[in-house]
Amino acid sequence: NAGVTQTPKFQVLKTGQSMTLQCAQDMNHEYMSWYRQDPGMGLRLIHYSVGAGITDQGEVPNGYNVSRSTTEDFPLRLLSAAPSQTSVYFCASSYGPRDEQYFGPGTRLTVT
Amino acid sequence: GDSVTQMEGPVTLSEEAFLTINCTYTATGYPSLFWYVQYPGEGLQLLLKATKADDKGSNKGFEATYRKETTSFHLEKGSVQVSDSAVYFCALRGGKSTFGDGTTLTVKP
Repeated sequence: NAGVTQTPKFQVLKTGQSMTLQCAQDMNHEYMSWYRQDPGMGLRLIHYSVGAGITDQGEVPNGYNVSRSTTEDFPLRLLSAAPSQTSVYFCASSYGPRDEQYFGPGTRLTVT
Repeated sequence: GDSVTQMEGPVTLSEEAFLTINCTYTATGYPSLFWYVQYPGEGLQLLLKATKADDKGSNKGFEATYRKETTSFHLEKGSVQVSDSAVYFCALRGGKSTFGDGTTLTVKP
């Protein structure tokens, strides 16, 4: 079991560039979420999914898109990167809406 | 909306000291409550959880009790070790997830 995997581990973008952060899980979890972690601010929910084909916005969705075509994968797209999106991004999955989440190792993104 | 308030850090203790990290929450309904731990450069890992009032979660010497009357889920450990140095997050789930801001614990030998 690989658990939750994320790629890349590090990424540097220029302002205005787009990219996709990949997330995959092999635990057959229905629920998947994307968070960003900024110093002193804990984790903030960007988008989440309750199953294949179903996504919804979290607390800070602006500038990000998601889709969920399979149970395993939940990519996060940055449409036009801005310096304010410099952060560490974590993907997480769980069986259900009240269960513990399993986190990936994170992607450290810097936008210059 | 839901919210989690965690004791502000950082917290510095000597080895074998008693640890308490306070966590209070505001939520509609009856959420599950969690403590996660994050080591440098890694993702969050579940430390313990409780799913209903008066439940006690425990793991690796850490404990927390789901107190509905005081809307609290304080983390305690009787004797901390250097290896417990990490960032600790209190969180709730009742649908969406809400995390506290994290408390950095440093344990000195």
